[in-house]
Amino acid sequence: QKEVEQDPGPLSVPEGAIVSLNCTYSNSAFQYFMWYRQYSRKGPELLMYTYSSGNKEDGRFTAQVDKSSKYISLFIRDSQPSDSATYLCAMREDSGGSNYKLTFGKGTLLTVNP
Amino acid sequence: KAGVTQTPRYLIKTRGQQVTLSCSPISGHRSVSWYQQTPGQGLQFLFEYFSETQRNKGNFPGRFSGRQFSNSRSEMNVSTLELGDSALYLCASSLRLAWNEQFFGPGTRLTVL
Repeated sequence: QKEVEQDPGPLSVPEGAIVSLNCTYSNSAFQYFMWYRQYSRKGPELLMYTYSSGNKEDGRFTAQVDKSSKYISLFIRDSQPSDSATYLCAMREDSGGSNYKLTFGKGTLLTVNP
Repeated sequence: KAGVTQTPRYLIKTRGQQVTLSCSPISGHRSVSWYQQTPGQGLQFLFEYFSETQRNKGNFPGRFSGRQFSNSRSEMNVSTLELGDSALYLCASSLRLAWNEQFFGPGTRLTVL
């Protein structure tokens, strides 16, 4: 079983739709959870990160972590064509341990149609 | 503030050759991590350098190596290239070791023929 699973999509939605992106994981030691956005021919850029379980909101983006289910989500409200990109989840253990490297999902390709 | 820069942006090599990729982190950032991105495996961690020392390593063979200089610039070397090494190699810098906020460069696209 892969440590992090992410549906690759592609996901196509109309402008203004609410988008839900998800990842599951198997390593219960993961403590930090991130979402990155990667445009074509660019490096990933960090959107948000959360520590442990709970919700975090930043503008149109909301990140949710459910550690009991080992499930994380990113919601995009009022999606825009400029949100079209590949979204990658990433997670890592606490820096106090020996394995704090980032582990990424394979990414979900999102297209928002005008 | 200038972002992370990587050189070269594109590279074509043949099997058996070796290659060196360069990364200049954001000014003031002391940690540099390297990743390999392929369609099949996604983004995979190679290693992280901080204060000129490798602090963490992913599951890659010894053909993949790196180093960091006193000005935090980093290089990654791949020896005896294989076809499967064709990938986008990304460098990311952060203020500190194991820091959540990493800033990625545009990557170096390596093609091995």
